[in-house]
Amino acid sequence: EAGVVQSPRYKIIEKKQPVAFWCNPISGHNTLYWYLQNLGQGPELLIRYENEEAVDDSQLPKDRFSAERLKGVDSTLKIQPAELGDSAVYLCASSPGQGTSQETQYFGPGTRLLVL
Amino acid sequence: AQSVTQLDSHVSVSEGTPVLLRCNYSSSYSPSLFWYVQHPNKGLQLLLKYTSAATLVKGINGFEAEFKKSETSFHLTKPSAHMSDAAEYFCVVSFYNQGGKLIFGQGTELSVKP
Repeated sequence: EAGVVQSPRYKIIEKKQPVAFWCNPISGHNTLYWYLQNLGQGPELLIRYENEEAVDDSQLPKDRFSAERLKGVDSTLKIQPAELGDSAVYLCASSPGQGTSQETQYFGPGTRLLVL
Repeated sequence: AQSVTQLDSHVSVSEGTPVLLRCNYSSSYSPSLFWYVQHPNKGLQLLLKYTSAATLVKGINGFEAEFKKSETSFHLTKPSAHMSDAAEYFCVVSFYNQGGKLIFGQGTELSVKP
């Protein structure tokens, strides 16, 4: 069974440029998560989707970040414009149910972003 | 406030010796607790989880953890370290009133010396 797929794996851009990350969750998983992991820290939740609905986006900086999961399957996270402080690893995860506290989340390899 | 604290940022052991990675949580609610491992340039992998069943939880690769409510702890142990265990380990907590939101600790880097 394929795991969570993310692309690209690495991205280098100049500040003020836009960037997008793509995630394809495990087949059949209803809930999808985007996390931000700064160097030397644990990941922090940005947004959680149940099917195509964003049920928790309280941590998403909406002035420059946006996300979508139009058909309830794959998802795109966008930053526009990127800032130096956005350099980090962006992780996608999925879980099979409705995002309960006991569910295991399965993580992709992440996209490492460097903003110059 | 609901939080999780990993007491050591770095732990170094010799191959074949026991591993102990310490984790404490703070919460008014009954938590679900997880340990994830992250190898360089790889995704996070679940080692084990506690969800209010048995307090001693066995995971993959010989790891186990014990939930101690009185001490609000969930320490990770392994009897004998292997070189392949060298990685970053995250203690993670989740609460029923926050859906699937995972709260990660700062991580503990485990080094294994030959």
